[in-house]
Amino acid sequence: NAGVTQTPKFQVLKTGQSMTLQCAQDMNHEYMSWYRQDPGMGLRLIHYSVGAGITDQGEVPNGYNVSRSTTEDFPLRLLSAAPSQTSVYFCASTMDSTDTQYFGPGTRLTVL
Amino acid sequence: AQTVTQSQPEMSVQEAETVTLSCTYDTSENNYYLFWYKQPPSRQMILVIRQEAYKQQNATENRFSVNFQKAAKSFSLKISDSQLGDTAMYFCASMEYGNKLVFGAGTILRVKS
Repeated sequence: NAGVTQTPKFQVLKTGQSMTLQCAQDMNHEYMSWYRQDPGMGLRLIHYSVGAGITDQGEVPNGYNVSRSTTEDFPLRLLSAAPSQTSVYFCASTMDSTDTQYFGPGTRLTVL
Repeated sequence: AQTVTQSQPEMSVQEAETVTLSCTYDTSENNYYLFWYKQPPSRQMILVIRQEAYKQQNATENRFSVNFQKAAKSFSLKISDSQLGDTAMYFCASMEYGNKLVFGAGTILRVKS
């Protein structure tokens, strides 16, 4: 098993550009989540999904869109990047509502 | 809403010694879960230990153990026989039903030789 994979590892964008951060898992996990990590603030939940076709907002959803068309994939879209979205982004997955979450390697995004 | 507080931004310890990282949390739920994650310079988030709130016994994983004080809402991590590879950022996190993690701000631990 590859576990949770994320692409790309690094990305630099200009303000106003759009992009999609990819996340995939091969563990047949129902739950998937996106977090962002900023210095001094730990990780904060952006969006999450409890199964294919079902998504909901987390603590900091503004500026981000998600969809979940398959169990395996959970892409995060930035429609118009802003410098405030400069951060490290982590995708995580887990089997159910009480299981431990397993994290991908992260994507470092810089918006100029 | 859940909150998690880590009051020690940085700590250091000599190799082979013991260190304790502090964490307090707040939740209105009876059933919840607590975690310590380690983030080394590689950036990967690695689970260190997990505690179910309904279990009175403190969780242990080899050199890592917790002191879970439910009434005080305290969840500290003790690392025994510290090793250079323990150098990392450590995050305390809480989770209620629905599997949404809330993290503390983290504690940087440096193990010195």
